[in-house]
Amino acid sequence: AQSVAQPEDQVNVAEGNPLTVKCTYSVSGNPYLFWYVQYPNRGLQFLLKYITGDNLVKGSYGFEAEFNKSQTSFHLKKPSALVSDSALYFCAVRASGGYQKVTFGTGTKLQVIP
Amino acid sequence: GAVVSQHPSRVICKSGTSVKIECRSLDFQATTMFWYRQFPKKSLMLMATSNEGSKATYEQGVEKDKFLINHASLTLSTLTVTSAHPEDSSFYICSANHPSQRDHEQYFGPGTRLTVT
Repeated sequence: AQSVAQPEDQVNVAEGNPLTVKCTYSVSGNPYLFWYVQYPNRGLQFLLKYITGDNLVKGSYGFEAEFNKSQTSFHLKKPSALVSDSALYFCAVRASGGYQKVTFGTGTKLQVIP
Repeated sequence: GAVVSQHPSRVICKSGTSVKIECRSLDFQATTMFWYRQFPKKSLMLMATSNEGSKATYEQGVEKDKFLINHASLTLSTLTVTSAHPEDSSFYICSANHPSQRDHEQYFGPGTRLTVT
């Protein structure tokens, strides 16, 4: 069975500082990895994905993530945090090929402090 | 881009009544849609996979007779919560895959907040 772990319920970072939100995964075969962001009482918005190719993936709003196969990780990063980045972030994984079920992590609340 | 809408965004109903939530793909045809439930401060729990023209596939532990899913067209899936109880109160979110498979990510609706009194 596939799974996603987001070990931190909450991450606090000062505005302007770099941020990292951690994610590790487990899946059979090649993974498709995703990051989504959710604002209060809203659906999820897609940030970025890793399908194949370069391990460093760049996405929306200045976010990026690095796929590390040996560590089975896909940490989300941003060089300089904004207050508006404060939200709930979900990492997700699915197996490659066809319509495969997506498994979400438990989410990490990011709080950017002015 | 691919847009998914949900209606209503918020609904309050009394115990014992049924409520229908609609999920529409606005600018693409979705043969497969997904229904999730999200509890406060919790992750998304996949309830079922909705397939156009066929029966939905429910996840283990989800009561198919309570959460009726109908995917009658390529742009519409509905979730009906039958005989609702307060414990059914939750945030329900649908999503869809784009059929081209160019985009591997799911496109999510804005969610529906259900409160059962």
